[in-house]
Amino acid sequence: QSALTQPASVSGSPGQSITISCTGTSSDVGGYNYVSWYQQHPGKAPKLMIYDVSNRPSGVSNRFSGSKSGNTASLTISGLQSEDEADYYCGSYTRSTTLVFGGGTKLTVL
Amino acid sequence: QVQLVESGGGVVQPGRSLRLSCAASGFIFSNYGMHWVRQAPGKGLEWVAVIWYDGSNKYYADSVKGRFTISRDNSKNTVFLQMDSLRAEDTAVYYCARRVSGSSAPWAADYWGQGTLVTVSS
Repeated sequence: QSALTQPASVSGSPGQSITISCTGTSSDVGGYNYVSWYQQHPGKAPKLMIYDVSNRPSGVSNRFSGSKSGNTASLTISGLQSEDEADYYCGSYTRSTTLVFGGGTKLTVL
Repeated sequence: QVQLVESGGGVVQPGRSLRLSCAASGFIFSNYGMHWVRQAPGKGLEWVAVIWYDGSNKYYADSVKGRFTISRDNSKNTVFLQMDSLRAEDTAVYYCARRVSGSSAPWAADYWGQGTLVTVSS
């Protein structure tokens, strides 16, 4: 159950778009369409932003979108806003019938 | 509105046990699988366990398998995490979370509690 690989940090200016990658293997990200993304502000519980690779829960802004190619999933945030500054985690179902998270990416809005 | 409230955290010595509870409200609890996820201080998220809506299936992370047990009482709208043989590396905030609705599988969580801190230290 190795953690999925995410960049430690990404940054962007207000109004720009950024993409966070999440790399796994064919036993997790690449093998199933059960990738999810979570936003976490300091001291707060995680919030689900994307599930099943590209589905947005009700109430999540359409500025957030998800995709997958091979063993790498991506979260794209368009029209960056200051409130998007947070930690982001990807998660994936695995062949071992478990859930594995990425190490997290700190998004800084410049 | 959906609410999940964890309790039972605290300071415990290595090798001892602790039982966490998560009280759910605002939805039909018996229809949803439930997860436990933990986060060590300053670290990332780590999935711990999941239990099916009816308790028929339970799965665990390798790091806790054989030491932790997830269970639920649908008559009390509560999910539990029994933690035995605790180690220093189990120190974390423990969150319970509801499986996402709208997916064919329970491998994402759409509502999370506020978390309860477990500190394992002598």
